[in-house]
Amino acid sequence: AQSVSQHNHHVILSEAASLELGCNYSYGGTVNLFWYVQYPGQHLQLLLKYFSGDPLVKGIKGFEAEFIKSKFSFNLRKPSVQWSDTAEYFCALEGRGSTLGRLYFGRGTQLTVWP
Amino acid sequence: KAGVTQTPRYLIKTRGQQVTLSCSPISGHRSVSWYQQTPGQGLQFLFEYFSETQRNKGNFPGRFSGRQFSNSRSEMNVSTLELGDSALYLCASSLAGGNGFGDLIATSNTGELFFGEGSRLTVL
Repeated sequence: AQSVSQHNHHVILSEAASLELGCNYSYGGTVNLFWYVQYPGQHLQLLLKYFSGDPLVKGIKGFEAEFIKSKFSFNLRKPSVQWSDTAEYFCALEGRGSTLGRLYFGRGTQLTVWP
Repeated sequence: KAGVTQTPRYLIKTRGQQVTLSCSPISGHRSVSWYQQTPGQGLQFLFEYFSETQRNKGNFPGRFSGRQFSNSRSEMNVSTLELGDSALYLCASSLAGGNGFGDLIATSNTGELFFGEGSRLTVL
């Protein structure tokens, strides 16, 4: 069965600390992978996506993620977080050509950054 | 351009009642999907529509239904409300899912989703 696991429910960091949020997935086929972010009081928005090609993808606001196929992972990273990065982060997958119109989301990781 | 618009933003209902939520996608987007977000279950897929056709459905009871109109606007309905239906209901639209000529491509993926701010339903 397809699923997405985010290992950390809540991460607390100080500004300028480095960030890595884990995401592992289970799916018996080719996937498209996404990270979405939900800032306080705002709607979910796309942070970055991987469809194919270079497994290291860069997104908005200095975020990047690396797709490691052998580990079924798509971890999100940022070298130096800011207070404004405080938000909830969701990893999601779409089964290419099969799970039509449907994304599978992880439970989310709440990131709190202290100034 | 305008984003995904959901109405109403907040509503309170009592058990046994029914509710209808509305979603207007981004202009030109023909795929609309619905998700239920709760603290305990996270984001759960309800259903997805393209060109007025439901292409995929999540694991929710038949009390949850939806439809899409010819202008791509979508509604979802929940009948016989239960306390556990209290949640944030999110609508998302997407460009992908068609070839631009009005043809439904069965194997086309959704791609990037653009979410609305949600309709927060409280069932008392």
